[in-house]
Amino acid sequence: KNQVEQSPQSLIILEGKNCTLQCNYTVSPFSNLRWYKQDTGRGPVSLTIMTFSENTKSNGRYTATLDADTKQSSLHITASQLSDSASYICVVMGGADGLTFGKGTHLIIQP
Amino acid sequence: SQTIHQWPATLVQPVGSPLSLECTVEGTSNPNLYWYRQAAGRGLQLLFYSVGIGQISSEVPQNLSASRPQDRQFILSSKKLLLSDSGFYLCASSTDSNYNEQFFGPGTRLTVL
Repeated sequence: KNQVEQSPQSLIILEGKNCTLQCNYTVSPFSNLRWYKQDTGRGPVSLTIMTFSENTKSNGRYTATLDADTKQSSLHITASQLSDSASYICVVMGGADGLTFGKGTHLIIQP
Repeated sequence: SQTIHQWPATLVQPVGSPLSLECTVEGTSNPNLYWYRQAAGRGLQLLFYSVGIGQISSEVPQNLSASRPQDRQFILSSKKLLLSDSGFYLCASSTDSNYNEQFFGPGTRLTVL
């Protein structure tokens, strides 16, 4: 069964600090992996999309990595800001299910 | 890029009442359209998807139905709401590109009492 597991489930860090969110998946065959940011009560917004051949991709202070061999991805946030408080969802495209969503990591940035 | 509109933003309905949520898309033509439900503490669950006018595929058996009367309009309906229908409903759109990137609407918060 295709699965996407995210960790940690929730995270609290101080403003200005860095953090890394993890995503492990079992989706096969793999097509691409996306990270979304979802503010409370809003729809998800795409941060990055990576294919099999891409190891790292940045979008401002967000950097995503992908290891297709170990089926792991991470999202690194640098110099966190209060506006980074949100849920971050890892989504993998591939396999019979099409898209498989993780449950998300709830990130809180404290001043 | 695509813009997804959803309304209403919030809705409180009694059990047994009907439901109609609307989604419209701007900035693209012939999109694939999706309805998701997001329950608290859980991932997004795909309810329906549509590849064209009048074409609806259901992912899970449920109390809800979907219709696509126009190319860029997607409607989620129910004849009689259940308590378990409460949740955050998201409409999404994508095109048949390499990434099939999905763009999400702002969502509708439905509470069934």
